[in-house]
Amino acid sequence: QSALTQPASVSGSPGQSITISCTGTSSDVGGYNYVSWYQQYSGKAPKLMIHDVSNRPSGVSNRFSGSKSGNTASLTISGLQAEDEADYYCSSSISSGTNWVFGGGTKLTVL
Amino acid sequence: QVHLVESGGGVVQPGGSLRLSCGASGFTFNTYGMHWVRQAPGKGLEWVALIRYDGSNEYYADSVKGRFTISRDNSKNTLYLQMNSLRGEDTAVYYCARRGGGYHAFDYWGQGTLVTVSS
Repeated sequence: QSALTQPASVSGSPGQSITISCTGTSSDVGGYNYVSWYQQYSGKAPKLMIHDVSNRPSGVSNRFSGSKSGNTASLTISGLQAEDEADYYCSSSISSGTNWVFGGGTKLTVL
Repeated sequence: QVHLVESGGGVVQPGGSLRLSCGASGFTFNTYGMHWVRQAPGKGLEWVALIRYDGSNEYYADSVKGRFTISRDNSKNTLYLQMNSLRGEDTAVYYCARRGGGYHAFDYWGQGTLVTVSS
């Protein structure tokens, strides 16, 4: 159950777009459309931003979008805002919804 | 409104045991699978365990298999994590999280409870 690979940090200026990648294998990211993304502010609980690769829960801004190609999933945030500065984690099932793995997390800095 | 509240964290010696609880409200608890996820200080998230809505099946990360037991009491709307043979590397904030209804994700999270394993 190795962790998924994410860049340690990304940054962007307000109004710009950034993309965070999440690389796994054919046994996790590539094998199921069960990739999800979470936003976590320091000292707070994670919040679901994207589920099943590209679906936004009710209440999540449409500036957040997800996609997948092969063994790599991506989270794109458009029109960056200061409030987007947080840690972001991807997750994937590794066994059709019963066992799960997270990425190492990416710190987003809004310059 | 979905609300999850963890309790039971604290300081425990290596080799010791601890039981965490997660009280649920604002949804029909007995129709949702539930997870435990942990986060070591300054580190990323790590999935720990999942239990099906009716308690019929449990699934564990390799790192805790044989030492931790997830369970639930649907009559009390409460999720549990029994942690035995604790190690220093089990030190973390432990979150309970609801399995997404109709989709595959952790859709609601509690605020977490800190477990510190130290002598």
